[in-house]
Amino acid sequence: GQNIDQPTEMTATEGAIVQINCTYQTSGFNGLFWYQQHAGEAPTFLSYNVLDGLEEKGRFSSFLSRSKGYSYLLLKELQMKDSASYLCAVMDSNYQLIWGAGTKLIIKP
Amino acid sequence: ETGVTQTPRHLVMGMTNKKSLKCEQHLGHNAMYWYKQSAKKPLELMFVYSLEERVENNSVPSRFSPECPNSSHLFLHLHTLQPEDSALYLCASSQRLAIEGDTQYFGPGTRLTVL
Repeated sequence: GQNIDQPTEMTATEGAIVQINCTYQTSGFNGLFWYQQHAGEAPTFLSYNVLDGLEEKGRFSSFLSRSKGYSYLLLKELQMKDSASYLCAVMDSNYQLIWGAGTKLIIKP
Repeated sequence: ETGVTQTPRHLVMGMTNKKSLKCEQHLGHNAMYWYKQSAKKPLELMFVYSLEERVENNSVPSRFSPECPNSSHLFLHLHTLQPEDSALYLCASSQRLAIEGDTQYFGPGTRLTVL
């Protein structure tokens, strides 16, 4: 079966750095997405990786290793507004998104 | 105009009621999706439409009935629901199906409670 694993919850301190991991086993691979979802709001697109390596977008970076079936989202200089759930999703060989259950990130002052 | 809108934002209904959820996208996309989001569970894909034709139905009970009258609008008709159907229902759109990197954009969802 297809499976996406990510931690259920993480806690970090304002101003610090946090890494959210995602491992996957899917039928084929056509890219990996990260989304941010604040409570009661729409998931919003953060990043897309299809090749190995690190993609940087301001305070957020996303890394992919296809051989290991592994990705992480790195958030730097954490702000209170970064408190949200972070969803990892893999596009499989049928171009369908397979979703993880999300990681709830709690930022403390 | 916000990319993807959904109405209503909140809905409480009894098991014998009939109601409809509405989604509208202003992004010029050709594909639209309905998802169910339950607490601490992955997003569950319910229906996919491409150019107004249904291309995916992931074994969803018949008490959920989708309708896509044009590429900008998507409805989810609900009838005789069960309490376990209570969840956040999300609509999304994307440029086109079956292309690498096709990014989905979501609406804010309808929080549904079935009594």
